[in-house]
Amino acid sequence: DAGVIQSPRHEVTEMGQEVTLRCKPISGHDYLFWYRQTMMRGLELLIYFNNNVPIDDSGMPEDRFSAKMPNASFSTLKIQPSEPRDSAVYFCASSLGQGNTEAFFGQGTRLTVV
Amino acid sequence: AQKVTQAQTEISVVEKEDVTLDCVYETRDTTYYLFWYKQPPSGELVFLIRRNSFDEQNEISGRYSWNFQKSTSSFNFTITASQVVDSAVYFCALSPVRSARQLTFGSGTQLTVLP
Repeated sequence: DAGVIQSPRHEVTEMGQEVTLRCKPISGHDYLFWYRQTMMRGLELLIYFNNNVPIDDSGMPEDRFSAKMPNASFSTLKIQPSEPRDSAVYFCASSLGQGNTEAFFGQGTRLTVV
Repeated sequence: AQKVTQAQTEISVVEKEDVTLDCVYETRDTTYYLFWYKQPPSGELVFLIRRNSFDEQNEISGRYSWNFQKSTSSFNFTITASQVVDSAVYFCALSPVRSARQLTFGSGTQLTVLP
């Protein structure tokens, strides 16, 4: 298996633009997570899905952030409009259900908003 | 509320030295999971280990070992005979069993192994 695949690896955008981050989880995993990593706040859970349904989005910083999972093999995290303080590395991770809690992470998307 | 503290921000050792990374946690849950992840320079997060709070047996995997002490709320990670490839940021994390999907990460320890 190729693991969790995120795209793009790097994204530079101007303030006010819409940004969409993409994630393909490991096939067969029924949980998908979006994390954000910054120097100031470390790794933070933004939202997670179970069987494509959002379960907890309490970590989403504000309404400018939205996440979708239209099917079991694809998820997006959208920021609209983007702001410089959104600059961070965004990780997607997936895991199996049935008590398994080990999350497998993608390589992350480094977002820079200028 | 949960909290994971990794007091060591950066550690440097010379190759072949042993090194211990500290992790102290706080939780009101009686059952929980503890994790260690490695983040090499390439950026991805690599899962290393998960422990259940009701299993205090220490674990060894090759050069890696983990010491879980519930009495002191610590879950320390030791690398024996360190190698340059061990250079990475190491994260300790915690999740309650009742909500096992919600990981709380520590701030990480940057380990540099010098040749």
